[in-house]
Formats: sequence, structure tokens, C-alpha cells
Amino acid sequence: NAGVTQTPKFRILKIGQSMTLQCTQDMNHNYMYWYRQDPGMGLKLIYYSVGAGITDKGEVPNGYNVSRSTTEDFPLRLELAAPSQTSVYFCASRMRGVPNGYTFGSGTRLTVV
Amino acid sequence: QKEVEQNSGPLSVPEGAIASLNCTYSDRGSQSFFWYRQYSGKSPELIMFIYSNGDKEDGRFTAQLNKASQYVSLLIRDSQPSDSATYLCAVKGDTGNQFYFGTGTSLTVIP
Repeated sequence: NAGVTQTPKFRILKIGQSMTLQCTQDMNHNYMYWYRQDPGMGLKLIYYSVGAGITDKGEVPNGYNVSRSTTEDFPLRLELAAPSQTSVYFCASRMRGVPNGYTFGSGTRLTVV
Repeated sequence: QKEVEQNSGPLSVPEGAIASLNCTYSDRGSQSFFWYRQYSGKSPELIMFIYSNGDKEDGRFTAQLNKASQYVSLLIRDSQPSDSATYLCAVKGDTGNQFYFGTGTSLTVIP
């Protein structure tokens, strides 16, 4: 049981480039989330999904896009990378219902130069 | 904006002492409350959840919830150097499906 798998673990992008951060979970969780974590700023929600075909914006969605074509996969797309997107990105999932908590992936450390 | 506040620390305690971590939240309708531990360079891992007023104990960890005061805390008894990490408080509101996180409290346990 792999849990939540994120790839890549590290990436350096040049300003204006695009990339997709991959996230896959094998726990049949309904809900999936993308957060970014900046030093001293806590975790900020980018996008989330409550099931295949359904996505919604979080607190900081600008510059990002997501899709959820299957229960397992929830990729995050960065278009036209900017230095402000330098951060650590975490994907998380959880089962519907209280009080199920998040299971996090190992994170992707992204630097935009 | 739903806010979750924690003292960023750093909090230092000697080995064997009790570490007390605190969290307040703004959404009075919040339902469930979680404590995550995050080691440097790693992802957060769930250590406790609580959704009823009072105390919940799990080994050396005790979560305390007071909904009237909008306050949740985590006590770590017999603190060990391996407990040195950042502790994140997370709150789920009465609407929506996401959690709101505090900025975390850095704990150092001194041998």
C-alpha cells in the first residue's frame, strides 16, 4: 500500500516554463487536495476535488490548474512559472466523513529561477 | 477567512518534561480538529484528532478541546528528543471539505 505518491521530488524551472506535478493515491479516497507550504506561512490550499470530474478552487489558485479524471490521480499544472511559485507542494487525500484526516504525499520542492 | 492561530515558538523543553502546544480558531462552527507532526524536510503526519469537548489521550499525547473558547491544545508527556518537530493544528469547518492549518509551532526537546 503506497499511500499518496508525488512526483517529482525536486524540480527547478525557469520563469515562463510549465510543468505538471503528479499525485496518485491507492487508498480509494474520495477527496484530494493540493497545498503549498512556504516558510513561516503554513499550508495554503490551492485546489481540491471531492471526486472524479469535480474540482474547486482553494485560497491560492492563481497560476495553477487541476483535473481529476480518475479517483486515483490529481495532477497540478503550473502554467508560465513565476518566482512566487517557488515553494514545497504537498498533495493529500482523505476518505469522506468525520473525522478522517489527511494522508500527505512526500512533497515536491519547486524552485523557479 | 477562517483563521487558525498557533504560537510559532520555538518552544524548548527538557527531556522528560511536558510540552504544551496551543491553537485557537475563528470559525465557531468548526467540527473536527487535528494535530500533525512535521519533521524538517518531511511531510506532515497525523498524530491526533478530536471532535468532542474534553480530553482525548493516545499514549504520551493528549488533545484537549474547548469549543466555547475556540481552543484546542496538544500535550506531550515525557517528551523525547525524537518529538522535536513542527506541530501543525488543522481545523475542519462546518461547511466545505477542506482543512485550515495554523502556521505551526516548532518544538525542541533538549536531552
